[in-house]
Amino acid sequence: IVMTQTPVSSPVTLGQPASISCRSSQSLVHSNGNTYLTWFHQRPGQPPRLLIYNIDKRFSGVPDRFSASGAGTEFTLKISRVEAEDVGIYYCIHAPQFPPNIGQGTKLEI
Amino acid sequence: EVQLVESGGGLVQPGGSLRLSCATAGFTFSDYWMYWVRQAPGQGLVCLSQISPDGSHRNYADHVRGRITISRDNAKNRLSLEMKSLTAEDTATYFCVRGSHDWMGIDYWGQGTLVAVSS
Repeated sequence: IVMTQTPVSSPVTLGQPASISCRSSQSLVHSNGNTYLTWFHQRPGQPPRLLIYNIDKRFSGVPDRFSASGAGTEFTLKISRVEAEDVGIYYCIHAPQFPPNIGQGTKLEI
Repeated sequence: EVQLVESGGGLVQPGGSLRLSCATAGFTFSDYWMYWVRQAPGQGLVCLSQISPDGSHRNYADHVRGRITISRDNAKNRLSLEMKSLTAEDTATYFCVRGSHDWMGIDYWGQGTLVAVSS
């Protein structure tokens, strides 16, 4: 499965919304009916941090300005109002199998 | 608080070997799948290996199979990665990553340890 994120790079304005797309080459619906699509954020010099799991569930401590949606092969991460700390690279990752399917990343920059 | 702390990185000559370790705390280590993921400078994330909670199942990415060995010591809450025949292409930050217990995926990452392969 190939995960393709768009855009590759996105200039954003503080206080404005931002959106990142992730498309998979095959449906990510598991045989059990769940879809284990996750989103991670990596700030410069830091490890990735989990934002979203199971398509649209915010992980513990993730601000509610982050939301996500999608189904099948098309997924979207949205930031309602970008803050300075949101810069960095965002990855969509699908990991119920090995090796995990990892998008190439989307760089969010002010 | 989940803690994953990698160590063992450094400068190694081409053809050399290295053993990375990941000390864990804040969760029941023996209950979780664990992974090693690396990131070359300025590049994306590449998953190298995973190991089952009891260590009986291990998977390796095709491009590193035969050169790396993942292992764990559940008594010491420690994950390890042995690497051999290193080349410049192995230069990267290596992350210890925990598999999630609540869904089929990964959740927490360590800070990473940098491995530089150069003469």
